[in-house]
Amino acid sequence: NAGVTQTPKFQVLKTGQSMTLQCAQDMNHNSMYWYRQDPGMGLRLIYYSASEGTTDKGEVPNGYNVSRLNKREFSLRLESAAPSQTSVYFCASSENRGERETQYFGPGTRLLVL
Amino acid sequence: AQSVTQLDSHVSVSEGTPVLLRCNYSSSYSPSLFWYVQHPNKGLQLLLKYTSAATLVKGINGFEAEFKKSETSFHLTKPSAHMSDAAEYFCVVSEGGSARQLTFGSGTQLTVLP
Repeated sequence: NAGVTQTPKFQVLKTGQSMTLQCAQDMNHNSMYWYRQDPGMGLRLIYYSASEGTTDKGEVPNGYNVSRLNKREFSLRLESAAPSQTSVYFCASSENRGERETQYFGPGTRLLVL
Repeated sequence: AQSVTQLDSHVSVSEGTPVLLRCNYSSSYSPSLFWYVQHPNKGLQLLLKYTSAATLVKGINGFEAEFKKSETSFHLTKPSAHMSDAAEYFCVVSEGGSARQLTFGSGTQLTVLP
C-alpha cells in the first residue's frame, strides 16, 4: 500500500515550458487535491476533485489545469510555466465520509522555473 | 471565514525537555482541527485531529493537543522532545470538517538541540 505517490520528485523548467505533475493514490479515496507550498505561507489549494470526472478551483488556480483521469490519478498541468510557479507541489487524497475528512499527502514535487 | 495563526515561526528546545507549539484559530462554525508534521524533503504526515469528541487529543509519537474553545486555541505538546521530532509543524483548521475547506497555518519550525 503505497498511499499517495507523486512524480517527478524534482523538475527544472524554463519560463514558457509546459509540464504535467502526476499523482496517484491506492487507498480508493474519492477526493483528491493539489496544493502548493511556499515559504511562510503554509499550503494553498490549487484545485480539487471530489470524484472521478469532477474538478473545482481552489484558492490559487490561475496558470494551472487539472485532469482527474480515473479514481486513482489526478494530474496537474502547467501550460506555460512562470517563475512565480516555483514552489513545492503536494497532492493529497481523502475519503468522503461527510464531515471530518482527513487528508493523506504525497511526498511532493519540487519545481524550479527559471 | 476561518483562519489559523501559529504564534511562533521557530521553536528551539533541548532534547528531553517539553515541547509547546502554539496555534490559535478563528472559525464561524464548529471546526475540525489538525496538526501535521513535515520532515525535510518529505510530505505532510497527520499527527492528530480534533473532531468535537474529547477535547484532549492524543496523536502519534507522544504528541497531544488540547482544544480550548474559550481561548480558541489548539496547542501541540509533547512531554519530552526527541531529536527525531525536529521538523516543521502545521496547524490546520476546517470549518464543518470538509477537507475542501482546509486552512493551513504558516508553520512552526521545531529545532531539537542535543
